[in-house]
Amino acid sequence: AQKITQTQPGMFVQEKEAVTLDCTYDTSDPSYGLFWYKQPSSGEMIFLIYQGSYDQQNATEGRYSLNFQKARKSANLVISASQLGDSAMYFCAMRDITGANNLFFGTGTRLTVIP
Amino acid sequence: GAVVSQHPSRVICKSGTSVKIECRSLDFQATTMFWYRQFPKQSLMLMATSNEGSKATYEQGVEKDKFLINHASLTLSTLTVTSAHPEDSSFYICSARDFENTGELFFGEGSRLTVL
Repeated sequence: AQKITQTQPGMFVQEKEAVTLDCTYDTSDPSYGLFWYKQPSSGEMIFLIYQGSYDQQNATEGRYSLNFQKARKSANLVISASQLGDSAMYFCAMRDITGANNLFFGTGTRLTVIP
Repeated sequence: GAVVSQHPSRVICKSGTSVKIECRSLDFQATTMFWYRQFPKQSLMLMATSNEGSKATYEQGVEKDKFLINHASLTLSTLTVTSAHPEDSSFYICSARDFENTGELFFGEGSRLTVL
């Protein structure tokens, strides 16, 4: 079964607007971690934000925030005030901390910021 | 959907030994595979791009004699950490692009290397 699901293969957003990238996950482990990575055309993977399953508050890092809804098993990434440089692939990932410690990636969402 | 498999998922070795990690695309042919290393602060660093039938392209700062990459077939790339040291302990992950179909990038589940 798919561990991480990203249902949006592509998204467009106007510059300076906010955008939400969806991510749902599936795990039976009580302890896990959720990650978001940005991959520009160069291929590198840039870590954006992390949310632990026991964290009480939603994670925020600058213009990035994670809308963590544990009961719905969703971990959507919100990018505020989009910039042209935000155009890239975005990957959601999950690690089962108490299980085999594997890292599962979604298939990614290609974000295009329109000037 | 397409699946990329890594083996082993966990390996513990003694300092000075070599360790091989395999990355397989299970239901598509991958002419290009990528190897990453995840550091403790969650960042995922691209180490090299593995090209089937030719030499891998290494990122700046990655020792090619230390991290040997072999992409011998369209479904298999291997990363060999030679003469491993404790500082090589890390999480290594590969990905492969399904160029024939959707062009999506699929990730393996990663391999955690611990060097004693």
